[in-house]
Amino acid sequence: GAGVSQSPSNKVTEKGKDVELRCDPISGHTALYWYRQSLGQGLEFLIYFQGNSAPDKSGLPSDRFSAERTGGSVSTLTIQRTQQEDSAVYLCASRTGGARTDTQYFGPGTRLTVL
Amino acid sequence: AQSVTQLDSQVPVFEEAPVELRCNYSSSVSVYLFWYVQYPNQGLQLLLKYLSGSTLVKGINGFEAEFNKSQTSFHLRKPSVHISDTAEYFCAVSEKGNEKLTFGTGTRLTIIP
Repeated sequence: GAGVSQSPSNKVTEKGKDVELRCDPISGHTALYWYRQSLGQGLEFLIYFQGNSAPDKSGLPSDRFSAERTGGSVSTLTIQRTQQEDSAVYLCASRTGGARTDTQYFGPGTRLTVL
Repeated sequence: AQSVTQLDSQVPVFEEAPVELRCNYSSSVSVYLFWYVQYPNQGLQLLLKYLSGSTLVKGINGFEAEFNKSQTSFHLRKPSVHISDTAEYFCAVSEKGNEKLTFGTGTRLTIIP
């Protein structure tokens, strides 16, 4: 079946512009995560959605970052007034809404480059 | 707060030789442990996970890992590597009751023909 998809695969933007990154989770997965993979930093958690519950935003690095999930499916990560340090690969993952130990399935990521 | 340390950023290994990728974690509560692999230009894929029970966990592609609570380690091993194992490997931990995965900085495994 289809896996997690993300778009665009690559995004180049100028400092100060806003960007939107999209994630389509696996159908039926109610839990959705965003992570950021920076060079030399590993992967860091950004935000977590589970069903209709309030999202866990504890990993968002600043108020320039926000995310929403419409209809419990597609999610959009928005970065306002991008900075060069925002350059990274942004990964989305989803899992079933069952046990927390269920596997997270990752998308291929969006590579963001801020000039 | 939980944390993960992967001491080796790069590990070169000859083909058909054994390999061990090290992972140590820190947490004040019980944890779940994971190894993910990222092949070139691909997304992350789960190799194996430890939830409870037997401390030796077997995963895909011939990999296994052993949970050692006293040493707070979860090292990944494979007895004989293949060229196709060239990838970046990430160790991750989540505390029981916590939804977030905390990843290490990754180990790049390079197989030498």
